[in-house]
Amino acid sequence: AQSVTQLDSQVPVFEEAPVELRCNYSSSVSVYLFWYVQYPNQGLQLLLKYLSGSTLVESINGFEAEFNKSQTSFHLRKPSVHISDTAEYFCAVSDRGAQKLVFGQGTRLTINP
Amino acid sequence: NAGVTQTPKFRILKIGQSMTLQCTQDMNHNYMYWYRQDPGMGLKLIYYSVGAGITDKGEVPNGYNVSRSTTEDFPLRLELAAPSQTSVYFCASSYRAGEWFNEQFFGPGTRLTVL
Repeated sequence: AQSVTQLDSQVPVFEEAPVELRCNYSSSVSVYLFWYVQYPNQGLQLLLKYLSGSTLVESINGFEAEFNKSQTSFHLRKPSVHISDTAEYFCAVSDRGAQKLVFGQGTRLTINP
Repeated sequence: NAGVTQTPKFRILKIGQSMTLQCTQDMNHNYMYWYRQDPGMGLKLIYYSVGAGITDKGEVPNGYNVSRSTTEDFPLRLELAAPSQTSVYFCASSYRAGEWFNEQFFGPGTRLTVL
């Protein structure tokens, strides 16, 4: 069965510093990959997704993630974070054709001024 | 277009009570899901539905029941509530046509405490 590991439960960084949130998944079969963001006391919102094509995907607010098939990873990066990026970030994966998501444990990103 | 709505937002139950968490979507999505979120555990799939009249178990279905009589509604029923069901519950929906995967849209959640 598919599983997702987010290697860091909490990541504190200073404002305007770069950040990387790590995500690895277990299956080597064809997959769809997602990053969702959850702001305090809210539901999850899609941040970005990889379905096919270019292995580097970007969001509208400056995040990017790269699909690395050989390392079964989909790490999330941002070159310069803002206070407003404070949230919990979830990596999720779906085997192609499954239409079910398996979520990682989440990484809480805290931005310090 | 309200998206996915859930009621109630908060609820406290006593052990052994029952309740229904409501979920409605107005996007004409065929797939709907129920998840629970526990601290440090991510989201776990409870039940899902691929269309009206069709439901299936997810990873953690014990203690819950669902039904899907319409495209829009997907209620989650808790029978004989237990402290282990204290959690935040999220409903989600998505549209699937053929093999193409579409994102899931999430509701705001229901925070349930069982005492």
